[in-house]
Amino acid sequence: DSGVTQTPKHLITATGQRVTLRCSPRSGDLSVYWYQQSLDQGLQFLIQYYNGEERAKGNILERFSAQQFPDLHSELNLSSLELGDSALYFCASRTVVDRGYLGYTFGSGTRLTVV
Amino acid sequence: GQQVMQIPQYQHVQEGEDFTTYCNSSTTLSNIQWYKQRPGGHPVFLIQLVKSGEVKKQKRLTFQFGEAKKNSSLHITATQTTDVGTYFCAEGQGPGTYKYIFGTGTRLKVLA
Repeated sequence: DSGVTQTPKHLITATGQRVTLRCSPRSGDLSVYWYQQSLDQGLQFLIQYYNGEERAKGNILERFSAQQFPDLHSELNLSSLELGDSALYFCASRTVVDRGYLGYTFGSGTRLTVV
Repeated sequence: GQQVMQIPQYQHVQEGEDFTTYCNSSTTLSNIQWYKQRPGGHPVFLIQLVKSGEVKKQKRLTFQFGEAKKNSSLHITATQTTDVGTYFCAEGQGPGTYKYIFGTGTRLKVLA
């Protein structure tokens, strides 16, 4: 258990629908990063929040939005879903991972299937 | 989207053979990290390289950062079935955001 919690683990929904993915970082971690991993693909950076504020945006579609709440959990909202949005969605915290280095600690991901 | 190139994309090896994956960037990197993702799992941090020409070892894994800080490699000696997974390099993009751009990944399959 990495300490980064993502819910739900699996989600199946129809095209055109809207879903919300939730992420709780490890206790004390202020940052949340969202990544999308399509089948057999790499990790695409979507968006970053730090202590409630958006810090960086990647290739996030306009149909997608996110926010980080005062308790530091974050939600990724995906709307008008298309088949191509089917993917694994990871959130991560930037934490001390090894000998003082800062790296990502990932949650176990949410597998979204759009049918 | 923006990604760092890794080669090869796939590699099948016999157990006991060596394996190397390469990560190449068009720009000079401030640092590079490596992650491993087991099948069905999430990426897990392995190492960070910061200095030009840096070499770090973790048991059978050897990580190297190029002299020009534009490329990196991960070498596994005498692979084992537990090495199966996808290995990603991640290019540091700072400062302030500290976001990392992940490589395309190399999927390693080890045949017993």
